[in-house]
Amino acid sequence: AQSVTQLGSHVSVSEGALVLLRCNYSSSVPPYLFWYVQYPNQGLQLLLKYTTGATLVKGINGFEAEFKKSETSFHLTKPSAHMSDAAEYFCAVRNRDDKIIFGKGTRLHILP
Amino acid sequence: DTAVSQTPKYLVTQMGNDKSIKCEQNLGHDTMYWYKQDSKKFLKIMFSYNNKELIINETVPNRFSPKSPDKAHLNLHINSLELGDSAVYFCASSATHEQFFGPGTRLTVL
Repeated sequence: AQSVTQLGSHVSVSEGALVLLRCNYSSSVPPYLFWYVQYPNQGLQLLLKYTTGATLVKGINGFEAEFKKSETSFHLTKPSAHMSDAAEYFCAVRNRDDKIIFGKGTRLHILP
Repeated sequence: DTAVSQTPKYLVTQMGNDKSIKCEQNLGHDTMYWYKQDSKKFLKIMFSYNNKELIINETVPNRFSPKSPDKAHLNLHINSLELGDSAVYFCASSATHEQFFGPGTRLTVL
């Protein structure tokens, strides 16, 4: 069965510092991978996705993620954190049944 | 223009009541979903419909019944509400790989 593990339920970074949110997945088939962001009291918004092709994927708001098959990872990064990046981030994998499995989420805190 | 909309945004009700949440998407997508997000922010799929037909039905109590009158709508009806049903319910739709989420309905059962 496919699963998604997000390391760290809470991550704090200083404004201007590098953001790194970790995601590992398990899948028996080539996965489709996603990162979603959820701002307080809002729905989920797609940040970026990997389906095929280039393993370094660029998304909105300066975020990017790299698919590493050998490490079964899809970590999310942003070079310089902004206060507006404070939110809950979800990594997800889609299986062949069109079902998306979400990780448990990582709350990103930005310190002034 | 709202892509995926849900009503109501908030729903407070007593245990034992029956309630419905409505979802509409104007994206022309064939597939729609219902997710439940618990107090720990854990998201779990409940149902998926493709062209008005049920394709995913997770282990959800049969008190929950989705209804899709047409491709653009997927409503969720809940009978005999219980305290544990309190959560945020999200509707979503998709055409290919990406899912578009509604703003959520916060259900509180007293």
